[in-house]
Amino acid sequence: AAGVIQSPRHLIKEKRETATLKCYPIPRHDTVYWYQQGPGQDPQFLISFYEKMQSDKGSIPDRFSAQQFSDYHSELNMSSLELGDSALYFCASSFGRGPYEQYFGPGTRLTVT
Amino acid sequence: KQEVTQIPAALSVPEGENLVLNCSFTDSAIYNLQWFRQDPGKGLTSLLLIQSSQREQTSGRLNASLDKSSGRSTLYIAASQPGDSATYLCAVRPGGGADGLTFGKGTHLIIQP
Repeated sequence: AAGVIQSPRHLIKEKRETATLKCYPIPRHDTVYWYQQGPGQDPQFLISFYEKMQSDKGSIPDRFSAQQFSDYHSELNMSSLELGDSALYFCASSFGRGPYEQYFGPGTRLTVT
Repeated sequence: KQEVTQIPAALSVPEGENLVLNCSFTDSAIYNLQWFRQDPGKGLTSLLLIQSSQREQTSGRLNASLDKSSGRSTLYIAASQPGDSATYLCAVRPGGGADGLTFGKGTHLIIQP
């Protein structure tokens, strides 16, 4: 079965640089969620989109922005990177915003040096 | 603010034992609860989803129960195997239209061959 695809899988950036993470949801899933998991931490919800509109917002820094495109893929844009942004970034998708299971991708490991 | 606690933080048992992982949450107004498995440095694999109106869900050797009124869930693993070694995360989805899951810090499980 098709799963959530994230690219790139690994990314190394320097402080103050920008990064773009991409997420391709499971086919026919119209809702995308972004989470950040720092070293030794539990995942923290950043933001979600339903039918290309932002549907909920968590602890996403102002330096980050995201959007969902007409084909339902999503991109997380991160600017002025800081050392503390080093983490695993997960994308998840579901079919609708209702009480549906969230399926997680393999994650993008971002290292900021 | 919803808080999710998982006990124990770590558990090591011999192969073949049945075991129970515990999850508690402070706000009983949840939409649903998911149990995940995470291998080191890897993504989150959804194991079971329990809706707020349900009492339990089963998948193979796994059984999850939910007592929403008391803010508790348990994950029962029967006949444990070395391949079950991983971190198990409990996550709740708040009610009121919120999308993001709130995770516990997980139980690190080791099954000794």
